[in-house]
Amino acid sequence: NAGVMQNPRHLVRRRGQEARLRCSPMKGHSHVYWYRQLPEEGLKFMVYLQKENIIDESGMPKERFSAEFPKEGPSILRIQQVVRGDSAAYFCASSPPEGTGPSNYGYTFGSGTRLTVV
Amino acid sequence: DQQVKQNSPSLSVQEGRISILNCDYTNSMFDYFLWYKKYPAEGPTFLISISSIKDKNEDGRFTVFLNKSAKHLSLHIVPSQPGDSAVYFCAARTALGAGSYQLTFGKGTKLSVIP
Repeated sequence: NAGVMQNPRHLVRRRGQEARLRCSPMKGHSHVYWYRQLPEEGLKFMVYLQKENIIDESGMPKERFSAEFPKEGPSILRIQQVVRGDSAAYFCASSPPEGTGPSNYGYTFGSGTRLTVV
Repeated sequence: DQQVKQNSPSLSVQEGRISILNCDYTNSMFDYFLWYKKYPAEGPTFLISISSIKDKNEDGRFTVFLNKSAKHLSLHIVPSQPGDSAVYFCAARTALGAGSYQLTFGKGTKLSVIP
């Protein structure tokens, strides 16, 4: 019963390159959330997706950031033309549909991807 | 505009004593409140939750208290153990409808339990 899997754990990119972060939710979970944690900050909501749909992207920066959760495969958070300020820990979380299966009323988080832009 | 606030960035407690972590919120529409624990280089893990219609929930050494009139909740850990040293995030849940919901997190409180 694997948990939420994120890869890579660490990612180093030069300014201007693209970063792709992947997230496989827990088995049976159809809701995926991406959060970003900047140094000395809390967890900031970025985007909420269900299969093939973006439900809420109110926390996504307007430019360079995009997310998808295709019918098959993991969810992808894509950052184009990275800048130093994108350096952060990016966490993915998943949850089952409300009312299905055991629930702690919250999410299960992955271990995160630490992006460093040099 | 921070809807969930943890005003103490850090807290140090002696082993065996009680740790009290506080959280304030502004949105009356939150339906659940949760505490997550995070070790360095790991993702947050769920600790305990409380419904907005309750005022207390207890699980072993962990108890969460909710004061709706004050829009305040607290996490009590007793007795505190060195392994409890971690960052604790308070989170509040908003139902989005159609079985969907979103968590809003505070900035976290770093707890250090001194042996």
